[in-house]
Amino acid sequence: SQQGEEDPQALSIQEGENATMNCSYKTSINNLQWYRQNSGRGLVHLILIRSNEREKHSGRLRVTLDTSKKSSSLLITASRAADTASYFCATVASGTYKYIFGTGTRLKVLA
Amino acid sequence: DSGVTQTPKHLITATGQRVTLRCSPRSGDLSVYWYQQSLDQGLQFLIQYYNGEERAKGNILERFSAQQFPDLHSELNLSSLELGDSALYFCASSAYGSGNTDTQYFGPGTRLTVL
Repeated sequence: SQQGEEDPQALSIQEGENATMNCSYKTSINNLQWYRQNSGRGLVHLILIRSNEREKHSGRLRVTLDTSKKSSSLLITASRAADTASYFCATVASGTYKYIFGTGTRLKVLA
Repeated sequence: DSGVTQTPKHLITATGQRVTLRCSPRSGDLSVYWYQQSLDQGLQFLIQYYNGEERAKGNILERFSAQQFPDLHSELNLSSLELGDSALYFCASSAYGSGNTDTQYFGPGTRLTVL
């Protein structure tokens, strides 16, 4: 079973609104990464947050990490139609090299 | 363009057959990963290689095998194909394959259809 579970599974918002998606995982991790996938294409790395960080920003992206709750959130501010994609969190359990991707959140931004 | 190339883009074959998917990592990357993405199973990690050696194994079936060659390209071999093997197969590469700080760069994928 997937270690990462994203919530919600699907999200539809208007252009200009903020989009928040959450990821939960099960084991101790070294870092957590977020990726974006446009329909049927390869994943693109967005941001990495280390286990000792609580918050990280990159452009319109804000990621938080709560290791006590084993959860992370990705906030996209001022969304654009081009942000329409699926978003996945990915973790590597401490002491392993195995990447585990979450189930993904399908974001649709309406123009 | 991630710099990772995968061939072929599409593959249609019959049950029971064997196919080979090929991946060339980004220049300078030593680690290669293979993933399977299907509608009902999401993105599943199959296997990772680092500089020619297997580093991590995920949910890879015994009918599947992979290797990374001295020039660092990798091949994923799928045999005795079943209908359920129809999926998108992605290759990704990273610089060190450390699992700590590595960013993975994904190829465009190979869409396999088993009839």
